[in-house]
Amino acid sequence: NAGVTQTPKFQVLKTGQSMTLQCAQDMNHEYMSWYRQDPGMGLRLIHYSVGAGITDQGEVPNGYNVSRSTTEDFPLRLLSAAPSQTSVYFCASRQTGDRSPLHFGNGTRLTVT
Amino acid sequence: RKEVEQDPGPFNVPEGATVAFNCTYSNSASQSFFWYRQDCRKEPKLLMSVYSSGNEDGRFTAQLNRASQYISLLIRDSKLSDSATYLCVGGGFKTIFGAGTRLFVKA
Repeated sequence: NAGVTQTPKFQVLKTGQSMTLQCAQDMNHEYMSWYRQDPGMGLRLIHYSVGAGITDQGEVPNGYNVSRSTTEDFPLRLLSAAPSQTSVYFCASRQTGDRSPLHFGNGTRLTVT
Repeated sequence: RKEVEQDPGPFNVPEGATVAFNCTYSNSASQSFFWYRQDCRKEPKLLMSVYSSGNEDGRFTAQLNRASQYISLLIRDSKLSDSATYLCVGGGFKTIFGAGTRLFVKA
């Protein structure tokens, strides 16, 4: 079972460059979300989606865009990368319903120089 | 006040010890809560779900106190392999995690 797949696993960007972090899930989960985790800190919610065509902001949305054109995919776009966006990014998904736990991808380690 | 707050830790305990973590939450609308375990630089993995007053799974017991708005995780007979960061989170659309509590189990 693939579960939640994130690509790439590692990425180095220069300040000002743009890129898209990919996230795909094959569990038919309606809910998907993106988190960033800085060294020694917890997960902070960037954006989330409760279904195709519906997205909303989390705790730290500035500098990131998302879209949800299909149930399976939830890409995260960095429009103009900044060193402050150096972090580990996790994508997660779950079934609809308050009792469903999140399933995480393996993470993307991003460095912005 | 953050939506979810955890004991900051770190907790340093010997093998065989019992250790408890607390997590307080401010969103009273959350109906369920979860404890995750995260190993260094890896993705969080589900440890336990807490829907009602609590549940037990082997050496792990999770409890929910809605009146005081906190959940706890008790680990009995700690093993070296329990060393990790433990994260709590409430259900709902904005799934906000606590900052995590680091546990070190020493031989």
